[in-house]
Amino acid sequence: EVKLVESGGGLVQPGRSLKLSCAASGFSFNDYWMGWVRQAPGKGLEWIGEINQDSSTINYTPSLKDKFTISRDNAQNTLYLQMSKLGSEDTAIYYCARAGWSFAYWGQGTLVTVSS
Amino acid sequence: DIQMTQSPASLSASLEEIVTITCKASQGIDDYLSWYQQKPGKSPQLLIYDATSLADGVPSRFSGSRSGTQYSLKISRPQVDDSGIYYCLQSYSTPPTFGAGTKLELK
Repeated sequence: EVKLVESGGGLVQPGRSLKLSCAASGFSFNDYWMGWVRQAPGKGLEWIGEINQDSSTINYTPSLKDKFTISRDNAQNTLYLQMSKLGSEDTAIYYCARAGWSFAYWGQGTLVTVSS
Repeated sequence: DIQMTQSPASLSASLEEIVTITCKASQGIDDYLSWYQQKPGKSPQLLIYDATSLADGVPSRFSGSRSGTQYSLKISRPQVDDSGIYYCLQSYSTPPTFGAGTKLELK
């Protein structure tokens, strides 16, 4: 069974950084692109970015490119999202997903709240 | 970025109706279009990929189609459990972009 489990969310002050993790199991992690999607409270889905199998290609939505960094550790079957200079507009549930032409598998999400 | 214009924003349907949700792409996307259902407090679930292919385990009352750059999700004889928010996603070009969502209520 494919399983994606995000962690690392919580309350963070404006301007600070936070790193999210996504532990993958049930499939060959190093065979797939992986991605991050977020959802602000009561809002729609926003694609953040994606990373290919060997980390040689990483794509971001332009508005987040300078704040967020996606990485992965294939030995640990784990995807990461490093977020910096956080603002209230970054308050959202953050989902990891097995990427590709469609997102067949999603994690349960982790809530990040940016507030003083 | 490719814009996905999704409509309607919300709708209320009876169990005997055929429900149709549409997404119009701002340019051609070569059927790189998928549909998702999201229920309150849950992560999105894939329904349709490649515009018309049914994802594993999805009931056959869900179907997808295309006319030009307009893509449609149809639910035939919806069930109460089909209530939720539906999103389209284009993955033809980076960044992939979602439609704004359609909230479906079954009455």
